[in-house]
Amino acid sequence: DQQVKQNSPSLSVQEGRISILNCDYTNSMFDYFLWYKKYPAEGPTFLISISSIKDKNEDGRFTVFLNKSAKHLSLHIVPSQPGDSAVYFCAASAFGYGGSQGNLIFGKGTKLSVKP
Amino acid sequence: DGGITQSPKYLFRKEGQNVTLSCEQNLNHDAMYWYRQDPGQGLRLIYYSQIVNDFQKGDIAEGYSVSREKKESFPLTVTSAQKNPTAFYLCASSWQGSYNEQFFGPGTRLTVL
Repeated sequence: DQQVKQNSPSLSVQEGRISILNCDYTNSMFDYFLWYKKYPAEGPTFLISISSIKDKNEDGRFTVFLNKSAKHLSLHIVPSQPGDSAVYFCAASAFGYGGSQGNLIFGKGTKLSVKP
Repeated sequence: DGGITQSPKYLFRKEGQNVTLSCEQNLNHDAMYWYRQDPGQGLRLIYYSQIVNDFQKGDIAEGYSVSREKKESFPLTVTSAQKNPTAFYLCASSWQGSYNEQFFGPGTRLTVL
């Protein structure tokens, strides 16, 4: 039973346009959410996070929105660049989840392709 | 340069052999984690350790073992009991506690022939 779902396996966007990647979660105990970017055969790199006390967090071209009532978060990339082409993973954690703080539950990822 | 190293990048083993994957970090993080990634799948937690000499099973610990004798090191052994060991293995570390991002190593691609 997936607690973090990324329902779009892939997304294709034109360079300069907005990329919107979506993530849904089922566990209402989740209170911290993260986005990671991953290139093939490499480890994921942290992009941006948001805690449940906020509904928006911005860092440069990246903005994460959190809608707690809908159990939904999204990552906006504006403007999209070819170098953004990668797999993006959404992750969530809850204080004390699994008997330990800090453990992350990952979605299956969305492959973003940004075309020049 | 602070970071996490995993070695080797690619590893080949014959079926029935145990193999140990290395993970070292110099970020002074207390917590370390092992994940497995399969094609089209997210990252699944194998084992984690919040402190030296202590570790806990994750979601898919069967067929794996770990040790945490030093803060900097968290090796993962893939035993012959692991039914489908071919995968991409990722090690991560973080500060202990909630609301901390995990930093990942470059990964080891294990292929069992």
